[in-house]
Order: sequence, then C-alpha cells, then structure tokens
Amino acid sequence: GAGVSQSPSNKVTEKGKDVELRCDPISGHTALYWYRQSLGQGLEFLIYFQGNSAPDKSGLPSDRFSAERTGGSVSTLTIQRTQQEDSAVYLCASSQGQANTEAFFGQGTRLTVV
Amino acid sequence: AQKVTQAQTEISVVEKEDVTLDCVYETRDTTYYLFWYKQPPSGELVFLIRRNSFDEQNEISGRYSWNFQKSTSSFNFTITASQVVDSAVYFCALSEALRNTDKLIFGTGTRLQVFP
Repeated sequence: GAGVSQSPSNKVTEKGKDVELRCDPISGHTALYWYRQSLGQGLEFLIYFQGNSAPDKSGLPSDRFSAERTGGSVSTLTIQRTQQEDSAVYLCASSQGQANTEAFFGQGTRLTVV
Repeated sequence: AQKVTQAQTEISVVEKEDVTLDCVYETRDTTYYLFWYKQPPSGELVFLIRRNSFDEQNEISGRYSWNFQKSTSSFNFTITASQVVDSAVYFCALSEALRNTDKLIFGTGTRLQVFP
C-alpha cells in the first residue's frame, strides 16, 4: 500500500510476555518514528530513526523497550516483560526526513496487557 | 526544553459555529517548525499544516486558518463554519530544526465535538 502499515492492529498479551510490533514505512522515506498514545492522552515520543544515523532513543521509557530498523526500511518495536502500564496504542510514522517535512502516521497497534 | 501546551481539553460547538483551538509552545531554538494534526475517531493522524519559524504569515485553507504569533509563542487553529465531520482530536506539535533529530513534540490534544 501507499501508506504506513503497522501490524498487528491489535495485540493482547499476558503480563510478563514479550511482544514485537512491526512498522512498514512509506517507500523512500528515510525517517521513521515510534510514538505511544495512552487512552485519552497525547502522543509520547519513543524513538526516531533517520537513514544510517544513530537513532534518537531519548523517549524510550525503560530498558524493556527497544527498536530496530533493518535495511533502512521496516522497523520492529520490542517490549520485553510487558507490564499493564504498557497498554496503549503504538503509532509509527515516516517522513522524507528533509527539514522537518510532515510525518505520515500508520493506524497504530493497540496493545493490551492483561 | 521544548514543550507544547494545548490548554483546551475538550470543546463542544454546534454546527456552523466558528471555533479556535489554542496552541502555545516553548523552545530555545530560533529555527523550528510547528504542525497541526487531526485524529478522527478512526485513530489515524492526518497532517493539516506545517509552518516554519521564519514565516509568520497567516494561512487559510478552505474553512481552516492558522494564526502564528512568535511574540506570544502561539500557533492557533480556527475552523470556520464547523461541521460534524470536524469532530476529532486535534494535536499541535513542535519540531526543532537545529537538533540532530526531527522528532515531533506533541501537545496533549484538544477534543472537538461538533453537534448537528
């Protein structure tokens, strides 16, 4: 498709399990972002990838969170030993990465930790 | 530190009313970008506008208009003659161009409900 694709759209997991969330950015976009949106809240920045540069990980809330971007395209956000407070919608976005061009968002993965 | 404040948590209007959504930002940089996004009930954020810090000209796009004032660090968004389809959460965001990241700092959003 032409937009940012995220999978799965919904994920229910038991507390303590690991989860992987996937993001396929728009083809040709060099910048990729992960955000978290808790129920009724704003968007919390998690991590940013730009080309081959070192990612900006300043938003990751704990060492249980990590993300990779393979081949400058697909990204995976991994949450280890999930906790109930990790329940949120995880949004991925991509952009052309030039001078703050607009970011295009996916529809998100709704994660529920039970 | 950079920060975006949207003081209005929720606004309700009746169709055809005009409504203004406030956005106040904080940054130490002289070069930065401001954005507005719309998040309809479907959940996907939709880009509305980007404005750089050197362009204070107001912009109008159909029923939407934006008022950027550096003197008050505000970037307010007005919808004229609101419609039910405008019901959504609207987010204001800031990006600082001179840092080694293009990350967007979002406000907490304003939920707009337009009633018929």
